[in-house]
Amino acid sequence: DAGVIQSPRHEVTEMGQEVTLRCKPISGHDYLFWYRQTMMRGLELLIYFNNNVPIDDSGMPEDRFSAKMPNASFSTLKIQPSEPRDSAVYFCASRTTSGGYSYNEQFFGPGTRLTVL
Amino acid sequence: GEDVEQSLFLSVREGDSSVINCTYTDSSSTYLYWYKQEPGAGLQLLTYIFSNMDMKQDQRLTVLLNKKDKHLSLRIADTQTGDSAIYFCAETPYSGAGSYQLTFGKGTKLSVIP
Repeated sequence: DAGVIQSPRHEVTEMGQEVTLRCKPISGHDYLFWYRQTMMRGLELLIYFNNNVPIDDSGMPEDRFSAKMPNASFSTLKIQPSEPRDSAVYFCASRTTSGGYSYNEQFFGPGTRLTVL
Repeated sequence: GEDVEQSLFLSVREGDSSVINCTYTDSSSTYLYWYKQEPGAGLQLLTYIFSNMDMKQDQRLTVLLNKKDKHLSLRIADTQTGDSAIYFCAETPYSGAGSYQLTFGKGTKLSVIP
């Protein structure tokens, strides 16, 4: 398996522009997580899905952020309009609850480094 | 709410042992984890420990858990330059819907001096 795939790897945009980050989870995984990583706040959970349904979006900073998961193999995180304080590395992660594993191993993608000028 | 604290930096010489410490606040944590992040990459699970265990050893890695003090440590024996990375402590809070979430510390950047 190729692991969790994220695109783009780097995004530079200007303030006010719309940004869309993409994620393909590992096939067969039923949970998908979006995180944001900054030096100041560390790793923050933004939202997570179970079987394509958003379960908890309490970490989404404000209405400018939205996330969708139209099917089991694709998710997007959109920022509209973007602001300089959104600059961060955004990670997507997935996990499976099949196989009887009770511990929480999440598989992370390589991240998208977003810079908003 | 849950909180996970760890020191931000650690520097050791190659061949020495590294000890990375973490404290957490949620006494109902079921599992505690160490994730590793190499430069330019996502996090990867390194090891984990169930809350009813005191110690877990896996090759060069030793995890110690003190539930009374809510303290978790990761010891890396014979530290190599390839161990240079950021190490994140994490916990799974025990609550029905939240049991699939992970709460991460801010990470400890380990620098190994050749």
